[in-house]
Amino acid sequence: GAVVSQHPSRVICKSGTSVKIECRSLDFQATTMFWYRQFPKQSLMLMATSNEGSKATYEQGVEKDKFLINHASLTLSTLTVTSAHPEDSSFYICSARDLADYGYTFGSGTRLTVV
Amino acid sequence: RKEVEQDPGPFNVPEGATVAFNCTYSNSASQSFFWYRQDCRKEPKLLMSVYSSGNEDGRFTAQLNRASQYISLLIRDSKLSDSATYLCVVNGDAGNMLTFGGGTRLMVKP
Repeated sequence: GAVVSQHPSRVICKSGTSVKIECRSLDFQATTMFWYRQFPKQSLMLMATSNEGSKATYEQGVEKDKFLINHASLTLSTLTVTSAHPEDSSFYICSARDLADYGYTFGSGTRLTVV
Repeated sequence: RKEVEQDPGPFNVPEGATVAFNCTYSNSASQSFFWYRQDCRKEPKLLMSVYSSGNEDGRFTAQLNRASQYISLLIRDSKLSDSATYLCVVNGDAGNMLTFGGGTRLMVKP
């Protein structure tokens, strides 16, 4: 089945630094990728929708200058958390939509801890 | 009002029990419906899609009532391995993004 590789799985960084998370579709093409954030005991909240070759669409309340999204190819999207603060600590999950059958596949998630 | 609402639980049931989860959605133009399962600290995994006529996959039965904007998931003969959070997920009228409910936590005990 479709596989989405997300790296890193876990990262601890200092406050004020930037962290890049990669999401890669391994065996299918994804024109659209989605970035979610999940705080403890809460559900997934969509942060942004990223389309290959164009600017990402951000959900209300998500700062586009803080969460930089790049979707340069049909198989790779990246999320960069800039100037991270402790309140950015969360579980970030990407999802890719298969061009062929419109199914959604999730990455394994990245647990970010900002200290 | 949340777009997709679920009872958070937890539902504590003994092995072998039958348990049902409900979900309501607010957008009447929603087109596709799913149940996902999420284990602790892991990504969600698709359990099953939900079709208008209702559908069954082994011990799992999903139903959709468009008039009431209501989705259900029935698990028969619960196993210990069914313990997880079950997420009701709706694909909106834009046909693109998924909206997640808050999840219902199930704990199956021996």
